[in-house]
Amino acid sequence: GAVVSQHPSRVICKSGTSVKIECRSLDFQATTMFWYRQFPKQSLMLMATSNEGSKATYEQGVEKDKFLINHASLTLSTLTVTSAHPEDSSFYICSATYLGGTEAFFGQGTRLTVV
Amino acid sequence: GDSVTQMEGPVTLSEEAFLTINCTYTATGYPSLFWYVQYPGEGLQLLLKATKADDKGSNKGFEATYRKETTSFHLEKGSVQVSDSAVYFCALSDKGFQKLVFGTGTRLLVSP
Repeated sequence: GAVVSQHPSRVICKSGTSVKIECRSLDFQATTMFWYRQFPKQSLMLMATSNEGSKATYEQGVEKDKFLINHASLTLSTLTVTSAHPEDSSFYICSATYLGGTEAFFGQGTRLTVV
Repeated sequence: GDSVTQMEGPVTLSEEAFLTINCTYTATGYPSLFWYVQYPGEGLQLLLKATKADDKGSNKGFEATYRKETTSFHLEKGSVQVSDSAVYFCALSDKGFQKLVFGTGTRLLVSP
């Protein structure tokens, strides 16, 4: 099946710094990628949808200037959490699909802790 | 807005026990319903899905029936194995698999 690799799996950073999370499709061209996050004891929530070569579409309440999404190639999307604060500590997970696909394929997720 | 509620875990069972993980949903339209599973260290994988009322999704011995009258999509398996230990997520979408709305996830622990 289609494989999506997300890196890193865990990251700890200091408050005020930026963190980049990568999401790669290993064996297919990911025309669309999705970014989700999950706070403790809450649901996975969609943050944004990105199509290759286009600006990401953010869900209501998600700050686009804080969560920078780049989808410049058909195999890589990145999420950069800028000026991270402890309240950004969460589980972030990406998924990807290809043109005409009927399923989204998920990465392993990244546990971000901001101290 | 749309939402999914699933039972809190962890659910702890002995091998060969019967499994039920409850999932109910709230939606304005007629969404598709999904169960995803996440094994340790891996990404979420689609386990099964149902796209309309009374449909039954099934895979690897798991099954769930789309019940419109009770807005439920409970996951069941007749005899669990240790290898079924994972986190299970119920989800819905009114746009196929796009813009999925997830529940909180339920951790299943199966002991020998």
